[in-house]
Amino acid sequence: LAKTTQPISMDSYEGQEVNITCSHNNIATNDYITWYQQFPSQGPRFIIQGYKTKVTNEVASLFIPADRKSSTLSLPRVSLSDTAVYYCLVGGSSYKLIFGSGTRLLVRP
Amino acid sequence: DAGVIQSPRHEVTEMGQEVTLRCKPISGHNSLFWYRQTMMRGLELLIYFNNNVPIDDSGMPEDRFSAKMPNASFSTLKIQPSEPRDSAVYFCASSLNERTDTQYFGPGTRLTVL
Repeated sequence: LAKTTQPISMDSYEGQEVNITCSHNNIATNDYITWYQQFPSQGPRFIIQGYKTKVTNEVASLFIPADRKSSTLSLPRVSLSDTAVYYCLVGGSSYKLIFGSGTRLLVRP
Repeated sequence: DAGVIQSPRHEVTEMGQEVTLRCKPISGHNSLFWYRQTMMRGLELLIYFNNNVPIDDSGMPEDRFSAKMPNASFSTLKIQPSEPRDSAVYFCASSLNERTDTQYFGPGTRLTVL
């Protein structure tokens, strides 16, 4: 299973766009890239998933370059309620989701 | 849909006691997962069921831990006897199928073993 590396923490302000980059140099051909969000005292929640290029939903965008060795989660115009831990996961050929340490995002007023 | 339901939400017990955590997956989901989250070790997969059958229990810490899924709408995770190092938040998750399908997590059970 591919290992991921992402920043431990990030700070932002309300209304800004936040980009969290994840490195996954050993990603396999049939692996997907998935991002989860976890608020305190809650279980992780699926945000977005992609395989290549760009995926967008009502919450975020996911940018994946051609070599797929990294990916960037983009949160447009964050609010205080976006303060959470964000996990980048790589897999898909297996049921095993490997959650790393995640990125702790703090949105300030 | 109510989502994944877990009970109890909080459990405080004394060392040596038996603890049973319960989970009701989302209706129609065929895969069920039990996770444990601690500050030191993060989120770890304990066991995975597919169609009520345990497929992978390699994450279960030791024999004190056991899990069952008697039917498609109910699963239990039991710890007997419990120890202070078992203190953690235990999450249950379900997905429509295995592999790339999204996993939906419950609210978790915060277990404290004194």
